[in-house]
Amino acid sequence: NAGVTQTPKFQVLKTGQSMTLQCAQDMNHNSMYWYRQDPGMGLRLIYYSASEGTTDKGEVPNGYNVSRLNKREFSLRLESAAPSQTSVYFCASSEVGPRTAEETQYFGPGTRLLVL
Amino acid sequence: RKEVEQDPGPFNVPEGATVAFNCTYSNSASQSFFWYRQDCRKEPKLLMSVYSSGNEDGRFTAQLNRASQYISLLIRDSKLSDSATYLCVVNGDFNKFYFGSGTKLNVKP
Repeated sequence: NAGVTQTPKFQVLKTGQSMTLQCAQDMNHNSMYWYRQDPGMGLRLIYYSASEGTTDKGEVPNGYNVSRLNKREFSLRLESAAPSQTSVYFCASSEVGPRTAEETQYFGPGTRLLVL
Repeated sequence: RKEVEQDPGPFNVPEGATVAFNCTYSNSASQSFFWYRQDCRKEPKLLMSVYSSGNEDGRFTAQLNRASQYISLLIRDSKLSDSATYLCVVNGDFNKFYFGSGTKLNVKP
């Protein structure tokens, strides 16, 4: 099992360019998440998908869109990149969500994005 | 106010020391609590869940105090390999996890 995979690993964009970050999981999990991690800020939830066909906003959704393409794949799109979106982006999945202490989130290796 | 707050550290301790981290959370309705570990430039990984009665996994002990809304992690007999950032995680609304900004631990020989 590959777990959670993300592409690309690194990306440099110019202000105003668009891009899509891809995420896939092979654990048959229902819930998937996109986070960004900035120095001193911890991980902040951008969007999440509780199940195939549903998506909801997290703490910092502005400037992003998501698509839950199927149960395996959850993509994050930056329509018009801004320097404030320079960050490390992590995708994660979990079986059903944090309803119990048994729930574990599995993370992808991250995408390092620099917007100039 | 942040959902989850942690002392950022760093905590610099010698090998063999015992070190404790605390974390406070703001949502009294939270039900699930976790400690994750993150190595430099890597993804977070679950270290342990935190149960109401407290739980232990080898050298690691986690405690939950609902009345004061804080979680603790105790590491005994620290190893060099324990050097990492420790993230406190709490659930919020259904399907949302809230992460603290992390506490950095450096274990020195």
